[in-house]
Amino acid sequence: DIQLTQSPSFLSASVGDRVTITCRASQGISSYLAWYQQKPGKAPKLLIYAASTLQGGVPSRFSGSGSGTEFTLTISSLQPEDFGTYYCQQLNSYPITFGQGTRLEIK
Amino acid sequence: EMQVVESGGGLVQPGGSLRLSCAASGFTFSDHYMDWVRQAPGKGLEWVGRSRNKVNTYTTEYAASVKGRFTISRDVSKNSLYLHMNSLTTEDTAVYYCARYLTGAGAAGLDIWGQGTVVTVSS
Repeated sequence: DIQLTQSPSFLSASVGDRVTITCRASQGISSYLAWYQQKPGKAPKLLIYAASTLQGGVPSRFSGSGSGTEFTLTISSLQPEDFGTYYCQQLNSYPITFGQGTRLEIK
Repeated sequence: EMQVVESGGGLVQPGGSLRLSCAASGFTFSDHYMDWVRQAPGKGLEWVGRSRNKVNTYTTEYAASVKGRFTISRDVSKNSLYLHMNSLTTEDTAVYYCARYLTGAGAAGLDIWGQGTVVTVSS
């Protein structure tokens, strides 16, 4: 199985900060990586697919990059509504796997 | 509006069975892969399984943790996806989400999610 390791697991940042979350895969997954945001009690929301493609309706302050085994999600200027937990997911091979999550707190 | 709505969750005893449903609307159900994803209380997301689309004859894939106990099926006449769960254990307690897989060259992600349905396995 492909393991995804996210770092950091917890992040506290201020409004306006540039925030980066990393997702490392235990083996190459090309660009078959997605990023999700989840708020408490809600379903996950797709932010980025195919490693770097912004899902429709997602603010342009979110961006994704990477391929192979190392990927990043960047929020260019953190907004109050960006709190929540962020997950990466690999869709390259079965079983599909998720990272353990990164909880983002707004200071 | 494109959406999926889960139902069928509830309280079940260990060793019991349950069937979850996912009603899809606003898109061509047969064109899309559909996934089940679960989230145990206070934990992260866990992929449960997949139903491929009509072109791929609705074949299925499962996580090792549920293989042999859970079965995914579709009723295309009802635009519905199902998760049949047998031999349930307390480890299966979770919110279960149904989600649509993006189509298109290079697309990879789950773009439409339901609100989830809660399954509690307890005596």
